[in-house]
Amino acid sequence: DAEITQSPRHKITETGRQVTLACHQTWNHNNMFWYRQDLGHGLRLIHYSYGVQDTNKGEVSDGYSVSRSNTEDLPLTLESAASSQTSVYFCASSSFIDTDTQYFGPGTRLTVL
Amino acid sequence: QKEVEQDPGPLSVPEGAIVSLNCTYSNSAFQYFMWYRQYSRKGPELLMYTYSSGNKEDGRFTAQVDKSSKYISLFIRDSQPSDSATYLCAMTTFNTGKLIFGQGTTLQVKP
Repeated sequence: DAEITQSPRHKITETGRQVTLACHQTWNHNNMFWYRQDLGHGLRLIHYSYGVQDTNKGEVSDGYSVSRSNTEDLPLTLESAASSQTSVYFCASSSFIDTDTQYFGPGTRLTVL
Repeated sequence: QKEVEQDPGPLSVPEGAIVSLNCTYSNSAFQYFMWYRQYSRKGPELLMYTYSSGNKEDGRFTAQVDKSSKYISLFIRDSQPSDSATYLCAMTTFNTGKLIFGQGTTLQVKP
């Protein structure tokens, strides 16, 4: 069955370190998205991609970057982790035909000390 | 003011009750409305979606959209303990993938 996976599921890091969160989908979806989920804010869009070599900034993109070198993967990089980036991160994907119907991964819980 | 407002709850009901979950929004350009269910420490899963005003039914779940009032609802009939989760509304203009989520309402259904 097609799925979307994220790794690691839990990560503890220190302020200032670079961190990369992986997202891999086997749906063969063109579109991929990264969200963060915080109490009181729901899910907020960080970055998104409509296809290989395409990336776009979302609502809360400062301090994050993504690159899309193939269809299956969209890694999220925190260039210099800050305590404000402690959150649960979700990756999602959707098809070219139905961009708005998104399927989510299980999430990565990141703690920045 | 947030584009999408949702009462975070928590909401606690007895098994068998009818549950009403609601969201209001401010952007009249929103055209596509969704409800996601999220169990504890899991990713959101799409429950229902609709493009138009009116009602859409799927089993025990009914999604209602009133564009004139900028108000959407999710009704759960005959609620079960397995319905205990956080319910998130989401909406977007159309075919952009840029979903705007509400804060989520935590529901507990007691046996």
